[in-house]
Amino acid sequence: GENVEQHPSTLSVQEGDSAVIKCTYSDSASNYFPWYKQELGKRPQLIIDIRSNVGEKKDQRIAVTLNKTAKHFSLHITETQPEDSAVYFCAPRLSGYSTLTFGKGTMLLVSP
Amino acid sequence: DAGVTQSPTHLIKTRGQQVTLRCSPKSGHDTVSWYQQALGQGPQFIFQYYEEEERQRGNFPDRFSGHQFPNYSSELNVNALLLGDSALYLCASTPSGRAYGYTFGSGTRLTVV
Repeated sequence: GENVEQHPSTLSVQEGDSAVIKCTYSDSASNYFPWYKQELGKRPQLIIDIRSNVGEKKDQRIAVTLNKTAKHFSLHITETQPEDSAVYFCAPRLSGYSTLTFGKGTMLLVSP
Repeated sequence: DAGVTQSPTHLIKTRGQQVTLRCSPKSGHDTVSWYQQALGQGPQFIFQYYEEEERQRGNFPDRFSGHQFPNYSSELNVNALLLGDSALYLCASTPSGRAYGYTFGSGTRLTVV
């Protein structure tokens, strides 16, 4: 099957620091790259996404960058806050699929 | 505007039993995907329904089956339950068969004992 990997698996930062999570995928024809946030016991929620014709997208404190040549995309969170603590999943849409393939997740812990 | 609703929220079943989970998609959405999320793991794709047909299927055995109704709601059935089927089952909907803008329900927590 298609391979989606996230790094790191856990990330601890101090409030106000930046956090970066990287997702690599194996299918060069993938064309849609979302990031989801899942708080404990809750549903995954889309926080930002990017399509293959764009290299970067920003929404306030969060941004996603895409490197199609290297087949990876990254989530950037600036000025982290304790409420950013959650598990973050990348979920690229791989070619030939009409659905999303999730990574194993990154647990982000933001300490006050 | 109602989001994705799933029922029941929690369920406890015995090994070997059968279970049915239900999902109503977000208003305006006609495509439903089901995911299994084991503890500490990412959601794993089970299958997707569009126009009342199973359009795509992940790597799950035939014990997992589904259905979509004319009102776009969907059911997930699991037969001959195993302990390893214990997980959070998530339903997600999108409009017109798209892969963009998935909206997830809160899930059904299934425990098999």
